[in-house]
This record gives sequence, structure tokens and C-alpha cells, in this order.
Amino acid sequence: GESVGLHLPTLSVQEGDNSIINCAYSNSASDYFIWYKQESGKGPQFIIDIRSNMDKRQGQRVTVLLNKTVKHLSLQIAATQPGDSAVYFCAENKIQGAQKLVFGQGTRLTINP
Amino acid sequence: DAGVIQSPRHEVTEMGQEVTLRCKPISGHDYLFWYRQTMMRGLELLIYFNNNVPIDDSGMPEDRFSAKMPNASFSTLKIQPSEPRDSAVYFCASSPLNEKLFFGSGTQLSVL
Repeated sequence: GESVGLHLPTLSVQEGDNSIINCAYSNSASDYFIWYKQESGKGPQFIIDIRSNMDKRQGQRVTVLLNKTVKHLSLQIAATQPGDSAVYFCAENKIQGAQKLVFGQGTRLTINP
Repeated sequence: DAGVIQSPRHEVTEMGQEVTLRCKPISGHDYLFWYRQTMMRGLELLIYFNNNVPIDDSGMPEDRFSAKMPNASFSTLKIQPSEPRDSAVYFCASSPLNEKLFFGSGTQLSVL
């Protein structure tokens, strides 16, 4: 069945350090992956996405890595800031057809001053 | 664009009452999604529409839940009768394609 999970439910890093949030997915047919950030009291906010024909994509201070061999996704945040404190979700989908976007349980990232 | 707009932001009601949640998607987006978020179950897809037509409602918990999209700029999620276990944050999201979703701020529902 479809499932997206996270290795760690919580992660604490020092301000300025880099952070890595990991995600495992089980549906080998998924070909589109997204990372969302959710701050307290707000809806999930899109961070970055990647298609299965890529293994790396970079944004501003964020990098997503996709390893299709082991069905693993990671989000790297460089030079973390207090505003990066939030819950981060990975989600998977299949571009073709009416598949649903399936969300993982989320990882709470805390940036320590 | 103002983004996805949901109302109300907070709803407190008593068990047995009817609850209606509202959503205005981003103009031009063909897809609209209703999600429910709880601590125990995370983000769950309830139903989604494409061009105002319900495509998949397999996530709707039971017959007490219903959703409509009478036009491209408005959707409702109704719970009748509401129960305490329906307490959650309900999110509406829209998308120009069935890919990147844009979420609203959610409705915090408390059923007493």
C-alpha cells in the first residue's frame, strides 16, 4: 500500500548549523515528491519539489535529495535560522492518473539559539 | 492573489449540531482538496475535486460528511451531525495541476 514515513519525529539543531530531515516512501510508482513546512497555527507551505527523473534539486538554502533505489527522500536546510523551526512533511504522488498526495507524519525541527 | 481562503478560522459547536466549513480556492486552480489534520492520524485527504466534479471521496469518514463545489470559486465541507471525534483542523487546498498544493490557514473545529 501507499505510505510515507519519517525516520525521526523530532530534530534539534543549533542556529547556523545545517539540518537534514529524512523520509522513506514505499510506493515505487510515485514519481513526484514534495516537502512542506508547517508553522504553528498555519497551513502547510510548499518548500520544494522533485520529480523522479532527478536525484537532486536546490532552492534557496534548501536541497532535496531523492534516492529511488532505497526509496528515500531528504531535505537539507543550510545555515538554519530561528524561522526554520516548524514541522516538515514529505509527500508523494504520481503525476499520471488521479493519485492522491500522500503525506508523511512530519518531523518537528527546532532551531536552538 | 490572496491565496486559499477558509472560513471560519475557529468553530466550536456541540455534539449533534451541523457544521459547515467554507473554502475559496485560488482563482484558476482546477483542483480543490479537503484535508483533515489530527495529532494521531496526521494529514488525511478527505475528498478532492477536479473542475468542480468530485473525483475521489474515499477518504470521507462516513455519511455524516459531505462536500460540494457548486462553482469554481467555492466549496463547502459539511458535517451533520457532528461528533467529538470530528474535532480536528480542516484544511482546504487548491492546485493548478494535481501536483503542488496551496493550503489555506485551516479551520480549527472543536465539537464538545
